[in-house]
Amino acid sequence: ILNVEQSPQSLHVQEGDSTNFTCSFPSSNFYALHWYRWETAKSPEALFVMTLNGDEKKKGRISATLNTKEGYSYLYIKGSQPEDSATYLCAFIYNQGGKLIFGQGTELSVKP
Amino acid sequence: GAGVSQSPRYKVAKRGQDVALRCDPISGHVSLFWYQQALGQGPEFLTYFQNEAQLDKSGLPSDRFFAERPEGSVSTLKIQRTQQEDSAVYLCASSSKIAGRQYFGAGTRLSVL
Repeated sequence: ILNVEQSPQSLHVQEGDSTNFTCSFPSSNFYALHWYRWETAKSPEALFVMTLNGDEKKKGRISATLNTKEGYSYLYIKGSQPEDSATYLCAFIYNQGGKLIFGQGTELSVKP
Repeated sequence: GAGVSQSPRYKVAKRGQDVALRCDPISGHVSLFWYQQALGQGPEFLTYFQNEAQLDKSGLPSDRFFAERPEGSVSTLKIQRTQQEDSAVYLCASSSKIAGRQYFGAGTRLSVL
């Protein structure tokens, strides 16, 4: 059974704090790792698609790193803002299959 | 429209009723996926189409679940004789290539009473 674990399950921070969360996935048969942001009542939105070991991606204040050999990815948010409040999901793809295997998500709440 | 559209957004069904959930993918996207998200969990894969061919239905929880995409565009997920455990958010996603970025709809929230 392929298992993707995310930690922490939830996080409450103050505006301006920097934060990070973890995604762990199987290190064998790796094809790609996706990060999504899902705000309440909206569609999940892709943040990053990562495929290579050592990949680092950045989008504004959000960045992510990937270690395929040990099976983990980190998502960092610098200077959190209330609009960053959402559930952050990572999803793993193996063997070019295409289907996403999701973690349970990290729910981030940023207080002004 | 520019994005993936799902309808209805909310559906309340009595136990035993049949329901049909619709997904309009982004025009030209050959890959279409259905996922089920139960409360407090991450989305779980149900089934996958490439054009009109259903290539993987390993995630469908029972034979009460059926999906189709007859013309390779719009897809319908049908649940027969709904049960309370079917209550979840059903997400549809489309992609222009296998294993590429997936574009999600806002989901259909199904409540079975």
